[in-house]
Amino acid sequence: QKEVEQDPGPLSVPEGAIVSLNCTYSNSAFQYFMWYRQYSRKGPELLMYTYSSGNKEDGRFTAQVDKSSKYISLFIRDSQPSDSATYLCAMRAKGTALIFGKGTTLSVSS
Amino acid sequence: GAGVSQSPSNKVTEKGKDVELRCDPISGHTALYWYRQSLGQGLEFLIYFQGNSAPDKSGLPSDRFSAERTGGSVSTLTIQRTQQEDSAVYLCASSLAGNPIETQYFGPGTRLLVL
Repeated sequence: QKEVEQDPGPLSVPEGAIVSLNCTYSNSAFQYFMWYRQYSRKGPELLMYTYSSGNKEDGRFTAQVDKSSKYISLFIRDSQPSDSATYLCAMRAKGTALIFGKGTTLSVSS
Repeated sequence: GAGVSQSPSNKVTEKGKDVELRCDPISGHTALYWYRQSLGQGLEFLIYFQGNSAPDKSGLPSDRFSAERTGGSVSTLTIQRTQQEDSAVYLCASSLAGNPIETQYFGPGTRLLVL
């Protein structure tokens, strides 16, 4: 079992839809959880960061971490065509390298 | 200010040749990371430099891979005797001081194709 599992999709939704992206993980030592967005032929850029369990909201984006279930989510409200990208979850324990999921490709149609 | 830059943006080489990939981190960032992104495999950590400390090489897949960072700034990733399975996008990232909560800023990557 890989340390971080993420469904690669692709996920296609109409403009305005609520999008839910998820990752599961196996290492209970992970404490730092991130979501990166990667546009085609670009490097990833950090969207959201959460430490330990809980929710974090930033505009249309909400990140959730459930450490008891080893499950993290990213919700995108009122999705826009500009949200079309690959979304990568990433996580790490203290003092270790960042472990990425494979990424989920999202397409939002207008 | 400028972000992380990488060169070349694309590299095509023949199996068995050596290649060098360059990364210029954001000025003032002491931490520098190399990752590999293969189709369907996600980002794979390769190596991490932090200041003058010994680098964390735990992600390097074989001894054909090496990296150095000169003067605490520019870094070069070298792949010797390239193989077709080395074909991937090689991404460099930098952060201010290497703390877990810091944002890693990524460059656009170098797309390597080994024929």
